[in-house]
Amino acid sequence: IQMTQSPSSLSTSVGDRVTITCRASQSINNYLNWYQQKPGRAPKLLIYAASTLQSGVPSRFSGSGSGTDFTLTISSLQPEDFATYYCQQSYSTPNTFGQGTKLEIK
Amino acid sequence: QVQLVESGGGVVQPGRSLRLSCAASGFTFRNYGMHWVRQAPGTGLEWVAGIYDEVTNPYYADSVKGRFTISRDNSKNTLYLQINSLRAEDTAVYYCAKDRRYDTGAFDIWGQGTMVTVSS
Repeated sequence: IQMTQSPSSLSTSVGDRVTITCRASQSINNYLNWYQQKPGRAPKLLIYAASTLQSGVPSRFSGSGSGTDFTLTISSLQPEDFATYYCQQSYSTPNTFGQGTKLEIK
Repeated sequence: QVQLVESGGGVVQPGRSLRLSCAASGFTFRNYGMHWVRQAPGTGLEWVAGIYDEVTNPYYADSVKGRFTISRDNSKNTLYLQINSLRAEDTAVYYCAKDRRYDTGAFDIWGQGTMVTVSS
């Protein structure tokens, strides 16, 4: 299953509302997870099962979608949110990741 | 606290072998699926292999099938990745990751990563 994220990069500002999309090459129901990765650090699970917030993740992060189209939304971007975000399908192995979306400071 | 610590990386010549280890602590290791995910320099994440228990067949990415072997020792709370016939394209940071339950495929705990560099 191929996972395609858009955009690949995004110049944004603190306080902006940001939406990242992820499209699967076939239906994956809601088996979609989102991760955040900062330079030199391991990824961090933000959202699993398309819309469930992982414990400890701020509520400004939200996820939606099912089937083939999914979104990650950050309601009001904070300085610590500038990072790369990956979607990942867990519907079937191999558990493929999207290519990533890098949020940069405008 | 819940922790994963990888070890075993380094600089290795093409064609040689390497075994990575991941020591787990702070949770009941045997109850969770475990995975290896790698990241080549400047690129994205690639799931490599997963294992759910000591008897069920593991799963592999097509790119590593036949060369990589994932295994686990629940008595030692340790995950392993045996890498044979190393290639330049295997150069990456290798992360071990814990499934948030047995087999959801969502990885809630990650190690710090161990770097493997394949070079002559």
